[in-house]
Amino acid sequence: KAGVTQTPRYLIKTRGQQVTLSCSPISGHRSVSWYQQTPGQGLQFLFEYFSETQRNKGNFPGRFSGRQFSNSRSEMNVSTLELGDSALYLCASSLATGGGYGYTFGSGTRLTVV
Amino acid sequence: DAKTTQPNSMESNEEEPVHLPCNHSTISGTDYIHWYRQLPSQGPEYVIHGLTSNVNNRMASLAIAEDRKSSTLILHRATLRDAAVYYCILRDGRGGSEKLVFGKGTKLTVNP
Repeated sequence: KAGVTQTPRYLIKTRGQQVTLSCSPISGHRSVSWYQQTPGQGLQFLFEYFSETQRNKGNFPGRFSGRQFSNSRSEMNVSTLELGDSALYLCASSLATGGGYGYTFGSGTRLTVV
Repeated sequence: DAKTTQPNSMESNEEEPVHLPCNHSTISGTDYIHWYRQLPSQGPEYVIHGLTSNVNNRMASLAIAEDRKSSTLILHRATLRDAAVYYCILRDGRGGSEKLVFGKGTKLTVNP
């Protein structure tokens, strides 16, 4: 079966612009989470959605937002991009909530802000 | 969030077993122990998870101490493709907080 699909794979944006990243979870998975990975901070949780509702949000500024659609596909948006937003953005999906379920990650979107 | 402690790095030889330790002394009764690994230039990959009993799957085995304050991920025969950063993470089985809290993990080097 198809894995978690993230588009685009690579993106170059200019400071001040905004960007939208897309994530298609594994079919049937209703929980989608987003993570930011940088060399300095490692993997950090951004937010998590389940059945179109944001359930948790990490410690990121309001410029970072997301949403989930009825088909479980999710998008995240970053407005007013800063150089420090350059990172690998990862999406992960899970069949359901709770510690008894593992997450499947996508390959990520590599965002470079210049 | 309950914390885990792992060695920064470990080294192994190809085709030998590898035991990756993880300490989680503040684990709660509802926390599952999850392991993920991340190969270079890829997203993390789920390896295995367990609650109280030892677990086996096609990738690895998870040995959980009787008091659950530590666990060990066992790769039975390391290959070069197992070279990755391995993360030990606790997830609350009650749900409600789905975030994975990644530490720095253990970087495993496999020598040919």
